[in-house]
Amino acid sequence: NAGVTQTPKFQVLKTGQSMTLQCAQDMNHNSMYWYRQDPGMGLRLIYYSASEGTTDKGEVPNGYNVSRLNKREFSLRLESAAPSQTSVYFCASIQDLGSRPQYFGPGTRLTVT
Amino acid sequence: RKEVEQDPGPFNVPEGATVAFNCTYSNSASQSFFWYRQDCRKEPKLLMSVYSSGNEDGRFTAQLNRASQYISLLIRDSKLSDSATYLCVVNYGGATNKLIFGTGTLLAVQP
Repeated sequence: NAGVTQTPKFQVLKTGQSMTLQCAQDMNHNSMYWYRQDPGMGLRLIYYSASEGTTDKGEVPNGYNVSRLNKREFSLRLESAAPSQTSVYFCASIQDLGSRPQYFGPGTRLTVT
Repeated sequence: RKEVEQDPGPFNVPEGATVAFNCTYSNSASQSFFWYRQDCRKEPKLLMSVYSSGNEDGRFTAQLNRASQYISLLIRDSKLSDSATYLCVVNYGGATNKLIFGTGTLLAVQP
């Protein structure tokens, strides 16, 4: 099993450009999450999907949209990138909701100039 | 006040030393607790869950004090390979399985 995979690994965008970060998991997990990690801030939840067909906002959703394409895939879209969105983005998944840990993908390092 | 607070460190310790990290959380309704390890420029990986009775995994011991809203991680006989950032993570449970992350404590084990 590959676990949680993310593409691309690195990306540089100019202000105003758009892009989609892809995430896929092969563990048959129901719930998936997108986080961003910034120095001194810890990981912050952007959006999550409790199950296929549902998505909800997390702590910092502004400037992002998500799509739960199917059970395996959960994408994050930046419609008009801003320098404040320079960060490392992690996708995570878990079998179902409950008090269990999440498993993370390797991350996407995004720089917006 | 941050929801999960940790001493950022760095903790510089010699090989073989015992080191302890502490973490406090603000939400008394928190239901589950974890320690994650994050290596430089890598994703967080689960180190261990933290149970009310305390639990041990090899050289690692985790403790939870619900009354004081306090979690700890003890590492005995530190190895060079233990050098990493240790994240304290709290789960509020409920409908979202939402994790709240501390900013992490950096450990550097010196030869």
